Amino acid sequence: GENVEQHPSTLSVQEGDSAVIKCTYSDSASNYFPWYKQELGKRPQLIIDIRSNVGEKKDQRIAVTLNKTAKHFSLHITETQPEDSAVYFCAASIGASGTYKYIFGTGTRLKVLA
Amino acid sequence: KAGVTQTPRYLIKTRGQQVTLSCSPISGHRSVSWYQQTPGQGLQFLFEYFSETQRNKGNFPGRFSGRQFSNSRSEMNVSTLELGDSALYLCASSFSGRASDTQYFGPGTRLTVL
Repeated sequence: GENVEQHPSTLSVQEGDSAVIKCTYSDSASNYFPWYKQELGKRPQLIIDIRSNVGEKKDQRIAVTLNKTAKHFSLHITETQPEDSAVYFCAASIGASGTYKYIFGTGTRLKVLA
Repeated sequence: KAGVTQTPRYLIKTRGQQVTLSCSPISGHRSVSWYQQTPGQGLQFLFEYFSETQRNKGNFPGRFSGRQFSNSRSEMNVSTLELGDSALYLCASSFSGRASDTQYFGPGTRLTVL
């Protein structure tokens, strides 16, 4: 079925350390994988995305890796800062042209301890 | 460009009532998706509209319905409200509705059913 599993559900790291969040998807036809950050009381904001023809993408302290064979993708945040504290959601697009939708993971609450 | 807007931001209803939520997408965006967000469940896909047509629907009962107007604004309606419908309802817009299009979220409407 359509499913995206996300782990861990909560993650606490010391400021300056790295954080890694992992997601696994079920539909081998998925070809777009965005990551969203949602701060308390705010809307989800796209922080990085990756398409299936790319294995890795980096934007400053944030990187995403994709393993299509294993149907697995991960978010890496280096040199974490207190403002990185938020809930992070991964998603995978599924469906045929014109009928696509995003399936979201259940979220990871990241706490960066100062 | 102005971002995605949703009205109202907060709603309190009682069981059995119905409610209509509104979403105005980013100018030029023709696809609008709706999600229900509850603690522990992440974002659950409700439906997606493109050019006034519903193209995809999630696993929600028929009490949840929606529509899209010619200016791409969208509404969703929930009839015969139940306590379990209490949630944050988010809409997201994208330019053309392709699987690799980035979705931009609105601030959400927080619905409380008493």
